[in-house]
Amino acid sequence: GAVVSQHPSWVICKSGTSVKIECRSLDFQATTMFWYRQFPKQSLMLMATSNEGSKATYEQGVEKDKFLINHASLTLSTLTVTSAHPEDSSFYICSVSSGSKETQYFGPGTRLLVL
Amino acid sequence: GQQVMQIPQYQHVQEGEDFTTYCNSSTTLSNIQWYKQRPGGHPVFLIQLVKSGEVKKQKRLTFQFGEAKKNSSLHITATQTTDVGTYFCAQGAQKLVFGQGTRLTINP
Repeated sequence: GAVVSQHPSWVICKSGTSVKIECRSLDFQATTMFWYRQFPKQSLMLMATSNEGSKATYEQGVEKDKFLINHASLTLSTLTVTSAHPEDSSFYICSVSSGSKETQYFGPGTRLLVL
Repeated sequence: GQQVMQIPQYQHVQEGEDFTTYCNSSTTLSNIQWYKQRPGGHPVFLIQLVKSGEVKKQKRLTFQFGEAKKNSSLHITATQTTDVGTYFCAQGAQKLVFGQGTRLTINP
C-alpha cells in the first residue's frame, strides 16, 4: 500500500494562531488526498477532498476559509487551521487513495492542541 | 452519503474469548471496508468486501458481507492482547463514511 507521512505529529499552539499540517505521499503520486478529523473517542469525519492543481472540495459544515487546503504537487497536500481556537483541538489525519482501488492509506495523524 | 451504524460501541473481553462487531446500513452498499486503529494510532486498512455474501479470512479475523449488502461483521476468534484497538467499518468510493467504531479492550 501507499506510504503516507504527516508533519508535525504534535502541535500545541495559542488560541488565534494558524497551524499548517503537511501530508506527503512518499511512494505514490496522489492526485487526490483526503483530510479527516477525529475528536477523542469519536469516529473519523471527512473534512475535505484535496485535489492536485485545483480547489479542495469541502464537506458540509466545514469552513473553507478556516481550513485552508493547498495541494500544489502530486505528493504534498497542506491543511492550515487559521486562527485556531480550543474547539479546533483534534486529531487531523490525511489519506491517499491508491489508484483504482477504493482502499485508503492513512498518514500517522497530527494531534493539535489549542490552548 | 450513506450512513453505517456500528455496534457495539465498546466491548471488553477476556483474552482468548471471541469478539464480533457489526455494521448495518438501511441502504445497499457498494462495498464495505474495515480498519483497525490502535490506541494513539491511525486507522490501518484491513480488508474490503464487495460481493454479496462474501466471506474473507485473515488468520483469526473473519469478515462477512451480508447477502443484501446492507450489513457486515468482523469476528475475531480467540482474542489476543495485540487485538486491542478500535475497529471501524467504512463505506464509499474515495470519500469514506465511517461507522462509529467498536473499541475492544482485553483483560489478559
